[in-house]
Amino acid sequence: GQQVMQIPQYQHVQEGEDFTTYCNSSTTLSNIQWYKQRPGGHPVFLIQLVKSGEVKKQKRLTFQFGEAKKNSSLHITATQTTDVGTYFCAPAPKANSGGSNYKLTFGKGTLLTVNP
Amino acid sequence: DSGVTQTPKHLITATGQRVTLRCSPRSGDLSVYWYQQSLDQGLQFLIQYYNGEERAKGNILERFSAQQFPDLHSELNLSSLELGDSALYFCASSVAGTGRTDTQYFGPGTRLTVL
Repeated sequence: GQQVMQIPQYQHVQEGEDFTTYCNSSTTLSNIQWYKQRPGGHPVFLIQLVKSGEVKKQKRLTFQFGEAKKNSSLHITATQTTDVGTYFCAPAPKANSGGSNYKLTFGKGTLLTVNP
Repeated sequence: DSGVTQTPKHLITATGQRVTLRCSPRSGDLSVYWYQQSLDQGLQFLIQYYNGEERAKGNILERFSAQQFPDLHSELNLSSLELGDSALYFCASSVAGTGRTDTQYFGPGTRLTVL
């Protein structure tokens, strides 16, 4: 079955430093979603990537989908204390890879803490 | 506020007991998803319902069951509870039934503590 690895598990940065989390899949993906969960909160949808090599930006956040559609990254430029939380990738395998057409699998997440 | 409501917020019970968690999806959403979140296992997909019917199943134990009612609210029933069932249980909803591509809107969660 599909193996999803998200690294690093934890990242502590000084405010103003950059941050990157990576999501790697053992199988080719149909698409990938990213969610953010603030401490004590619930996951909130950030973005979905579908095309090979796709890059999308949301203010200081840059999301990339690998050319082979097996990995993705989320990069935050000049982190702020409001960026604190756990960032989850949710990759969806291609339908013919044996994965469910409906099930979304979440990575274990990267917990980001920011020192002000 | 995502528009998804979950009750209760907290639940404390004893081993061997049975509890029911309730979820009301956003207005207009037909799909409901249940997730279990514990410290060491991350966010685990349990089950999905679409318009009253089971659509996808994840790592849901036989002691757990769920259903979606005609008004689209959903209940997750957990029975013969064990200490290891202590976790945060999230419900999410989406417009359509394709969980792989739909945006999922999460509720605030129910924190279950089994003593």
